[in-house]
Amino acid sequence: RKEVEQDPGPFNVPEGATVAFNCTYSNSASQSFFWYRQDCRKEPKLLMSVYSSGNEDGRFTAQLNRASQYISLLIRDSKLSDSATYLCVLKYNNNDMRFGAGTRLTVKP
Amino acid sequence: DTGVSQDPRHKITKRGQNVTFRCDPISEHNRLYWYRQTLGQGPEFLTYFQNEAQLEKSRLLSDRFSAERPKGSFSTLEIQRTEQGDSAMYLCASSLGGLAGEQYFGPGTRLTVL
Repeated sequence: RKEVEQDPGPFNVPEGATVAFNCTYSNSASQSFFWYRQDCRKEPKLLMSVYSSGNEDGRFTAQLNRASQYISLLIRDSKLSDSATYLCVLKYNNNDMRFGAGTRLTVKP
Repeated sequence: DTGVSQDPRHKITKRGQNVTFRCDPISEHNRLYWYRQTLGQGPEFLTYFQNEAQLEKSRLLSDRFSAERPKGSFSTLEIQRTEQGDSAMYLCASSLGGLAGEQYFGPGTRLTVL
């Protein structure tokens, strides 16, 4: 089983739609969790950290379920500019980070 | 520009040649990471420095790969006797200490081995 698993997509949604991505991880030693965004041929950039209590940043909501070893990202009111690959990321105590393969999102007009 | 920079941005080489990439992290960041990314995959951890000390190396990093960070500032990644399977984007990232420290990525060096 891969350390971090994501549905690769692609997710093709219309503008204004709500879309959710899931991520599961196999190593319970994971300490911190993040969602990164990567545009085509660009470097990954931090979108948001994921906290145990769940957290929201504008149209983006992230949730963590440690018992089920599951992370999610919800995007409301999708914009064309949200089109990108979304990477689920785990971080261990030794600062080692593990990236999922990413979920590709295309928002269409 | 105070972000992470990498040089060169692109490198084409013939199989068997040695290549060296450079990464300049954000100046106050003490941690520096190297990753490799191939098409359709997320970045794959290669190695990590805290200041000049190399603290972690992936099992994926063969003996042909070596990384240095001699003065705790810039870092180099060298690949000896390149193979076609080494073709990938090589990403460098830096961060401050702390468990939640965000890693800032450079634009990457795209290596093509012919």
